Amino acid sequence: AQKVTQAQTEISVVEKEDVTLDCVYETRDTTYYLFWYKQPPSGELVFLIRRNSFDEQNEISGRYSWNFQKSTSSFNFTITASQVVDSAVYFCALRDGGSNYKLTFGKGTLLTVNP
Amino acid sequence: KAGVTQTPRYLIKTRGQQVTLSCSPISGHRSVSWYQQTPGQGLQFLFEYFSETQRNKGNFPGRFSGRQFSNSRSEMNVSTLELGDSALYLCASSLESLENTGELFFGEGSRLTVL
Repeated sequence: AQKVTQAQTEISVVEKEDVTLDCVYETRDTTYYLFWYKQPPSGELVFLIRRNSFDEQNEISGRYSWNFQKSTSSFNFTITASQVVDSAVYFCALRDGGSNYKLTFGKGTLLTVNP
Repeated sequence: KAGVTQTPRYLIKTRGQQVTLSCSPISGHRSVSWYQQTPGQGLQFLFEYFSETQRNKGNFPGRFSGRQFSNSRSEMNVSTLELGDSALYLCASSLESLENTGELFFGEGSRLTVL
């Protein structure tokens, strides 16, 4: 069975601090996909990134970066120089490699960035 | 390009009633998934439809049902409502292609309160 664990329930930082959100996953599939979504107060889940299991290259997009390590089954997300607008709930999710579009989500991490 | 549209955004029902929620996917998207989000259980997969057929189903009782129309619009129905059905119901659509494998675009959700 697939499982995604986000051990950090809530994180509070001061603006301009760097913050890392942890994600650990479990799957028996050799091919799978990992995602991060952001959920602002409006409720809509906003797609941030998708990573394939066969591509361990880390990625940077502006202030966001992702560290994918298959050896530790982790897919961590770092926000550099955080801003108040980054305040939201962040979800890590896992999908197997078939045509199944079911996502298994972690419980989410509530990030609060204080001015 | 219009996003995923869900209606109604908010609704209040009483125990025993039934409710129908609607989702219009992004134009051209043929896969529609439904998720239930509650504080206790987090985001849980309900079901997924593709070309009017249910492809995947989560672990929810038969009171939860859905359907998809020829224009890809989808509805989900919950009968005999229980207090525990109070949740944010999120709909997501996806473009069925290798390049977009598993990337879901979510609507803002329908917040159901059962009294």
